[in-house]
Amino acid sequence: GNSVTQMEGPVTLSEEAFLTINCTYTATGYPSLFWYVQYPGEGLQLLLKATKADDKGSNKGFEATYRKETTSFHLEKGSVQVSDSAVYFCALRGGGSQGNLIFGKGTKLSVKP
Amino acid sequence: GAVVSQHPSWVICKSGTSVKIECRSLDFQATTMFWYRQFPKQSLMLMATSNEGSKATYEQGVEKDKFLINHASLTLSTLTVTSAHPEDSSFYICSARDQAEYYEQYFGPGTRLTVT
Repeated sequence: GNSVTQMEGPVTLSEEAFLTINCTYTATGYPSLFWYVQYPGEGLQLLLKATKADDKGSNKGFEATYRKETTSFHLEKGSVQVSDSAVYFCALRGGGSQGNLIFGKGTKLSVKP
Repeated sequence: GAVVSQHPSWVICKSGTSVKIECRSLDFQATTMFWYRQFPKQSLMLMATSNEGSKATYEQGVEKDKFLINHASLTLSTLTVTSAHPEDSSFYICSARDQAEYYEQYFGPGTRLTVT
């Protein structure tokens, strides 16, 4: 079945450091891929998405590229801020637009000033 | 953008009582809504999928008689935790799917349930 594996956290970085959170997936067909962010005490917000191979999703300085050959969708940001401290979830949706989201376990990011 | 609200944002109840959590799509119609439970260390578990006007589909291992889901309108789904126990304490998050936006899924802010 479909699944998502993302790097274990927590990840602690200093402000302005480079961020990479790895995400790989297993899926049949051509899933859509997502990154969601959860700030403390809140629900999930869509950060970015990509719907086909080689697409790059980007938002708020974050980006991720849909790599079919390596079944990956790694999240990157060139210079993190304290306000980026949150939990990040990688997810996929298979089975077309009506399929359910399948989440990774989440990676907690803490950015220190 | 599309907004999903949940009420209450937090609730404390006594063991053995029932508590209802509401999930509303504020500016779109949602024929499908989802209920998730978030455990410590972040892990999100899909509990059930509810479709407006029909019975919810529960994931394996989720007790449908304990977690009652009603999706009576295109903008409202409710989750009732019946005969709550301390082990039901958790963060419950709902999500609604907007058919008009390529089935984009939007999440509510979550409800923190504490059973004493």
